[in-house]
Amino acid sequence: GAVVSQHPSRVICKSGTSVKIECRSLDFQATTMFWYRQFPKQSLMLMATSNEGSKATYEQGVEKDKFLINHASLTLSTLTVTSAHPEDSSFYICSARDRTGYSNQPQHFGDGTRLSIL
Amino acid sequence: AQSVAQPEDQVNVAEGNPLTVKCTYSVSGNPYLFWYVQYPNRGLQFLLKYITGDNLVKGSYGFEAEFNKSQTSFHLKKPSALVSDSALYFCAVRDPSKTNDYKLSFGAGTTVTVRA
Repeated sequence: GAVVSQHPSRVICKSGTSVKIECRSLDFQATTMFWYRQFPKQSLMLMATSNEGSKATYEQGVEKDKFLINHASLTLSTLTVTSAHPEDSSFYICSARDRTGYSNQPQHFGDGTRLSIL
Repeated sequence: AQSVAQPEDQVNVAEGNPLTVKCTYSVSGNPYLFWYVQYPNRGLQFLLKYITGDNLVKGSYGFEAEFNKSQTSFHLKKPSALVSDSALYFCAVRDPSKTNDYKLSFGAGTTVTVRA
């Protein structure tokens, strides 16, 4: 149980393109999802908290207009990297919290999306 | 504020030997502590957690961790390491006193290499 599917797993596109990444909880409902960015051999950097039916909460230094987050249902959150540039190239990972779980439950992670901007 | 420190960037052990990955934490109250493992180009897999109760927590794949409140540590251990345990390990903490704030703070990660 507790499977999170992230799609696509890898994207290569030209500079200026907008890229959408999907994060789905397959067997549970998630009112809260998280989006992280990870640089090579480094830790996860929390970008934003995605809340179902409301606006995302962005961490300090993360551009809201650059990284658009939509959490329209209890099983889907999307991250859109708008007008992507080479410096946006990174590994993006989402996680989800089961809404029916206790507050001490672990987050469940997707397999990540490798974004490469040429 | 909540934070985690993993003092070792790398840990190298021989297969069959004990494996320890260190983690210390800082929170204002009692912590929720987690260990995750990451394989190349994959997301994080949950290994185990400490919430309350017994200080020795057993998790997946033969891993265990010991919570030590006086030393604010939560070291991950495996009695006999396998080559397949080679991966990147993350310790994470959450402060449960923060109501409706489920954000985790992650350590920098420790790369474990188990040689045959």
